[in-house]
This record gives sequence, structure tokens and C-alpha cells, in this order.
Amino acid sequence: DAKTTQPNSMESNEEEPVHLPCNHSTISGTDYIHWYRQLPSQGPEYVIHGLTSNVNNRMASLAIAEDRKSSTLILHRATLRDAAVYYCILRDVGPPAQGLVKAAGNKLTFGGGTRVLVKP
Amino acid sequence: DSGVTQTPKHLITATGQRVTLRCSPRSGDLSVYWYQQSLDQGLQFLIQYYNGEERAKGNILERFSAQQFPDLHSELNLSSLELGDSALYFCASSVGRASSGANVLTFGAGSRLTVL
Repeated sequence: DAKTTQPNSMESNEEEPVHLPCNHSTISGTDYIHWYRQLPSQGPEYVIHGLTSNVNNRMASLAIAEDRKSSTLILHRATLRDAAVYYCILRDVGPPAQGLVKAAGNKLTFGGGTRVLVKP
Repeated sequence: DSGVTQTPKHLITATGQRVTLRCSPRSGDLSVYWYQQSLDQGLQFLIQYYNGEERAKGNILERFSAQQFPDLHSELNLSSLELGDSALYFCASSVGRASSGANVLTFGAGSRLTVL
């Protein structure tokens, strides 16, 4: 899997936006950019994903650089409940199935992530 | 509630013992993934099954094995347990093809294993 680089930690004030950067300079053309977060004592939770265009959902926005070598997860108004470790992950589309040859699976490889602290 | 059910939530056992962790995927999901999270290792991918067949393998020890049953639930078997196997074990599921970069994983709440 191509590697991602994220800052170890970031702090934000409540109600303010949070911009979480991720560098992935070795990204391939078929890699999707995924973001997950893990709240304390919980399993990881899907946040957002994209391939080339910027994406928005109810949780966050994902801004992808034109060359796709970096991306930024944007939490528009941080709340105390957003305090978590945020993981930026690249996920390949995987090999195509050919006839009776089954497509191999593909794993989601987590790095160290960015620990976000939200201050009231 | 994510829809992925893991049992037991907590398990305490002794070294050398064997345990089985169980996972029921979200309704309609065909893929099941197992991850191990220990304090010093982060989230480590163990293995993936798709519709009953193994599709991807990660850093899974030979003492560990898994399978996915016809009803799509999965079990992770850990044997000859060592102190270092103490960790959180997460199961995740996804719908769709075994290999797709767009597949989104839904994780369960985890099973916390303590080996004494």
C-alpha cells in the first residue's frame, strides 16, 4: 500500500474549523483516499473518501490536491465529540477479476493517524 | 450501534489457552475483516474473508486462524495464547466486491482480550 504521512497531533478550539493534512506523494492513479476516525474506546468509524474531486458529507469535507499528492480533511465546526484519532488511508481498487480467477481482497492499512484535541 | 456485532466484549484468560472471538457483519455485507490493536502496535490488519473465502492476509500469526461461515458470520481463533496477544480485536464488514478501493468498512465495538 502507498504510504501516507500525517502530523501526530493537532489542537483546535470548539466551534472552529479543523484542517487535517495528509501527504501521499506516492499515490497511484487507482488509489482512493479514505479517512476514518477512532473515538476513545471505540472502533474506527468511516468519515469520508474520494478519488479525484473534492467531497462533502454530513461529517466533513475532503479537499484533494490537483496532483493528488496531498489531501485535507476539514471538520467545519469542531465539537468536543470530534476529539479522536483521524486516519488517512490509501486504498487501491485492486486487481480486476479475470474469468474464473477471483479478485484478491484488499486491506485497509492504518498508519499512526493524527490525534485531534478539541478545547472548550 | 454500527450493525457489526462482536462477542465477547471482554475476555480474560491465561497463557497457553485458546479463545474464539465472534463477529456478525452488517446485514447484506459480504466481506469481513479482522484487526488487532495493541498499545504499541496500532491497528494491524489480520485477515479478510469475502463470501466465505479468504481474500487477503496480513500479519496474522500461525497460532491464529479465522473462518467465515455460510451465514457470513466469522470467528477468529487464537491459540497458545501469550501475554503479547493482549489487545483489542476489531471486526469490520463491507458490502460489495472483495477488492474495491471504494469499499467502506464498518467496524464493530471490539473484543478486549487480556492474557494473564
